[in-house]
Amino acid sequence: GAVVSQHPSWVICKSGTSVKIECRSLDFQATTMFWYRQFPKQSLMLMATSNEGSKATYEQGVEKDKFLINHASLTLSTLTVTSAHPEDSSFYICSARDLSEDHNEQFFGPGTRLTVL
Amino acid sequence: GQNIDQPTEMTATEGAIVQINCTYQTSGFNGLFWYQQHAGEAPTFLSYNVLDGLEEKGRFSSFLSRSKGYSYLLLKELQMKDSASYLCAALSNDYKLSFGAGTTVTVRA
Repeated sequence: GAVVSQHPSWVICKSGTSVKIECRSLDFQATTMFWYRQFPKQSLMLMATSNEGSKATYEQGVEKDKFLINHASLTLSTLTVTSAHPEDSSFYICSARDLSEDHNEQFFGPGTRLTVL
Repeated sequence: GQNIDQPTEMTATEGAIVQINCTYQTSGFNGLFWYQQHAGEAPTFLSYNVLDGLEEKGRFSSFLSRSKGYSYLLLKELQMKDSASYLCAALSNDYKLSFGAGTTVTVRA
């Protein structure tokens, strides 16, 4: 089956620093990847849609200058949390669609737990 | 946008059946997903319905009624390992998933 990886699995950083999270589709190509955020005991909230070779589209209320997304290849999207603050501490999950498959399933990465001190 | 509603919690005993209901209000509906999520982990795919009716996959079945904006996930022969959060998610025409808040299922011996 399709596999999506994320790196790092967890990260602890100081307030004011930037953190980069990578999302890779390991055995398929994905022109579109999605970034979600999940706070404790809440559901996943879509932050942005990452499109290969073009700008990401952000959901309402998500600051594009704070959450920088780069989708430079068909297998890699990165999310950079700039000037992170404690309120950015969350579980960040990416997903990807397999272009070669004629279905709508999204495959999720294992998630990255970010803790900002 | 999408509005997804599902119960917050359900409890059942091992070997029993539990049905998790989900109602949705959408613009541009393109199908309904169910995911299982254990604490601290990413969601794992359980089922996808785009047409009305029942889809059965082993111990898990999912039903969809597009006209009623309603779906349910049926878990049979519950096992302790089925204790998890179950997420209902509606897919829009632009392939965005909108998730419900999740239903925490607790299976008791």
